[in-house]
Order: sequence, then structure tokens, then C-alpha cells
Amino acid sequence: GENVEQHPSTLSVQEGDSAVIKCTYSDSASNYFPWYKQELGKRPQLIIDIRSNVGEKKDQRIAVTLNKTAKHFSLHITETQPEDSAVYFCAASNDMRFGAGTRLTVKP
Amino acid sequence: DAGVTQSPTHLIKTRGQQVTLRCSPKSGHDTVSWYQQALGQGPQFIFQYYEEEERQRGNFPDRFSGHQFPNYSSELNVNALLLGDSALYLCASEGYNEQFFGPGTRLTVL
Repeated sequence: GENVEQHPSTLSVQEGDSAVIKCTYSDSASNYFPWYKQELGKRPQLIIDIRSNVGEKKDQRIAVTLNKTAKHFSLHITETQPEDSAVYFCAASNDMRFGAGTRLTVKP
Repeated sequence: DAGVTQSPTHLIKTRGQQVTLRCSPKSGHDTVSWYQQALGQGPQFIFQYYEEEERQRGNFPDRFSGHQFPNYSSELNVNALLLGDSALYLCASEGYNEQFFGPGTRLTVL
């Protein structure tokens, strides 16, 4: 099965700075890579995803990059805001293995 | 909330008991996956149901079983509960290349 590793486990940035979270996966057959944001006591919310036929995808302040050769993908958040503070999870198909999560804190 | 519902919201059981959790997917979605999320950890994949059959399964013992009904709703059953089964149980509704999580059921085993 798939094995997904996520780094860092915690990340603290100043408001306005960028944040980058990285994940690696093991199953070369994986072709779908979503990112989720989970606020305390709430369900994970899909914020962006990428499929294996694309190297990069952007949605306003959020972007995801995928390197299939190296089997890693990254979440980039620019111009961070305090409301971006949450736990972020990456996942990789085929059996939707999740990373352990990154707790992002954006300091005002 | 994308129309995915779960019941009950909270549940307290004792060791050895059995529990059934329920999930109704978003209208038009035909696939339901179940996850266990322990405190401070990422969701762990339990299994996925499609066309009323278990299509994939994670690394969970046979005490965890499920069912999908013709209307695509699903149940998760856990037998012989252990203290370590205490967690947030999430279902994910999938279809049209999208996935949405339900609000979860928080299970506490005493």
C-alpha cells in the first residue's frame, strides 16, 4: 500500500510570509493528490488537489506542485493570514493514505 | 457542508460493546470511504464502498465491518470495542472526481 510522509509537523510563520509543506509518497501508481485543511473540532476541508498529468496547480494564494519522478508534492501558501492557521493534511491515492499533518500557525 | 451527513454526532460506549455509525453521501455520489482519526493524528483509511461492495480496505482488523445500501448510504460497524477505538470517525462521499468529508462521529470507549 501507499506510504505518505509529511514535513514539517509544525510550522510557524509571520503574517504575510509564505508557507510550504512537503509530502512524499511511495506508490508510483498514485495519481491523485489532495490537500486538506482541518480546523480544530471540524472536518477536513479540501483546499486544492492535483492529478498526475499536471505539474502545478494554483488557486489564488494556494498552489500545489507535483514531481512524479521524485514522488513528492508540495503545498504553497502565499501572503499568509491568521485565518490560515490550522492543521494541513496531504493525501495520495489509490487508497487515500494521509500524511500525519502539519500544524500551521500564522502570527499576526 | 456539501450535503454529507453522519449520525450520531457523539457516542459513548464501554469496552466489548458494538457500535454502528451511519453516513449519507452527497446527492449524486456513489462511493463512501470511512476513516478513523485519533486525536492529533491524520485520518486513517478503514475501507471504501462502491456499488454495495467493499472495494478497498486499509489495515484494520475484522472487527471493523461495513455496508452500503442501494441508496449509497453506508454503515460502519465495530465489534468488541477497545479503548483504542476512541476516535473521530469520518466518512467521505466521493463522485464526479470530488470528495467531501462528513462532520464525523466522535466515539468514546470507556
